[in-house]
Amino acid sequence: EPEVTQTPSHQVTQMGQEVILRCVPISNHLYFYWYRQILGQKVEFLVSFYNNEISEKSEIFDDQFSVERPDGSNFTLKIRSTKLEDSAMYFCASKVADTQYFGPGTRLTVL
Amino acid sequence: SQQGEEDPQALSIQEGENATMNCSYKTSINNLQWYRQNSGRGLVHLILIRSNEREKHSGRLRVTLDTSKKSSSLLITASRAADTASYFCAVLSGGTSYGKLTFGQGTILTVHP
Repeated sequence: EPEVTQTPSHQVTQMGQEVILRCVPISNHLYFYWYRQILGQKVEFLVSFYNNEISEKSEIFDDQFSVERPDGSNFTLKIRSTKLEDSAMYFCASKVADTQYFGPGTRLTVL
Repeated sequence: SQQGEEDPQALSIQEGENATMNCSYKTSINNLQWYRQNSGRGLVHLILIRSNEREKHSGRLRVTLDTSKKSSSLLITASRAADTASYFCAVLSGGTSYGKLTFGQGTILTVHP
């Protein structure tokens, strides 16, 4: 069964550094998403992406964040200058019809 | 406004018993979805119920939706130790096709063998 995959599974970085989280959505899906989950908190929407542009973004998704679909398979989330509060689990999702399918997540730890 | 609030926050039962989790939300929705998350892992989609549906079944799962009360429940019958996980409801609202999900805090279910 097709799955959303994410790499790396765990990323440790120093405050102020740039990180790129990578996702490979399910191949025939057209809508892509990033969510995050701070430890012990709710899963929060960050951004949705369709037809090579951002469809919607949350207040969390400020100028430090960007997304890109550099080729036909990858979908990336970049954080330009990480902060301590960016430490969280980041989930990529892709959609066909109404159901969003989530990847296993990347745990980002900012020191 | 908060959407998708589950209760109870934690539920502990014995294997073979049924587990019921509830979810409430505040605005009108397109659909409501339930996800499972094993500790520290990804979100697994369980079931989706549309706003014009009242009940849906999938294997040992039964979901109900009451739009007048803005609430949903997830019933897991004949629970197994492997059902131990966190369960989240998530609502899709708004008129767009790309729709973001708004998640609740989740119910932690522990099934004792």
